[in-house]
Amino acid sequence: AQTVTQSQPEMSVQEAETVTLSCTYDTSENNYYLFWYKQPPSRQMILVIRQEAYKQQNATENRFSVNFQKAAKSFSLKISDSQLGDTAMYFCAFMKPGSQGNLIFGKGTKLSVKP
Amino acid sequence: NAGVMQNPRHLVRRRGQEARLRCSPMKGHSHVYWYRQLPEEGLKFMVYLQKENIIDESGMPKERFSAEFPKEGPSILRIQQVVRGDSAAYFCASSTTGTGTRGYTFGSGTRLTVV
Repeated sequence: AQTVTQSQPEMSVQEAETVTLSCTYDTSENNYYLFWYKQPPSRQMILVIRQEAYKQQNATENRFSVNFQKAAKSFSLKISDSQLGDTAMYFCAFMKPGSQGNLIFGKGTKLSVKP
Repeated sequence: NAGVMQNPRHLVRRRGQEARLRCSPMKGHSHVYWYRQLPEEGLKFMVYLQKENIIDESGMPKERFSAEFPKEGPSILRIQQVVRGDSAAYFCASSTTGTGTRGYTFGSGTRLTVV
């Protein structure tokens, strides 16, 4: 069974600085999808970025980028120029094709951006 | 275009009562997923439905929980005879396809508290 591990329960960063959140996963699949979701205090789950395992190129979305290391089964999220609005829980998630859309989530990392 | 709408936002039930959680998917989305988030945990898949069909209920507890997505109206997650352990946030997500590989749109969740 697939598992997703986020080893940093909490992190903090100063406004305008860069922070990296870690995520590792375990799977025997060769093709799959990885996601980072943000959950601010409002509790809304917001898709931040997605990565397809068969693509070598790391995904980027504005200030958010990933470092996808397929051999190491690592999928870290880098947030550049951190903003106060980035304060949230961040969840890493895994999905394998044909799983009927079943997302497997890590336990999350609580990120605090300090002014 | 309204997002995924869940109501109520908060629900308090006494032990033994029934809880009914509603989810209206985004317009044009015919696939609905329910997830549960226990305190300090990531989301866990419960059930995947299309209109009038349950496609995958592998994450649903065997007893007291049921879900439906009728031809007309919202999807309903029903919990009978609630117990304290059912206290959690319940999230609904929707997508246009059943694969979910582009990531879902989540609602803001219903926080169920059993007293």
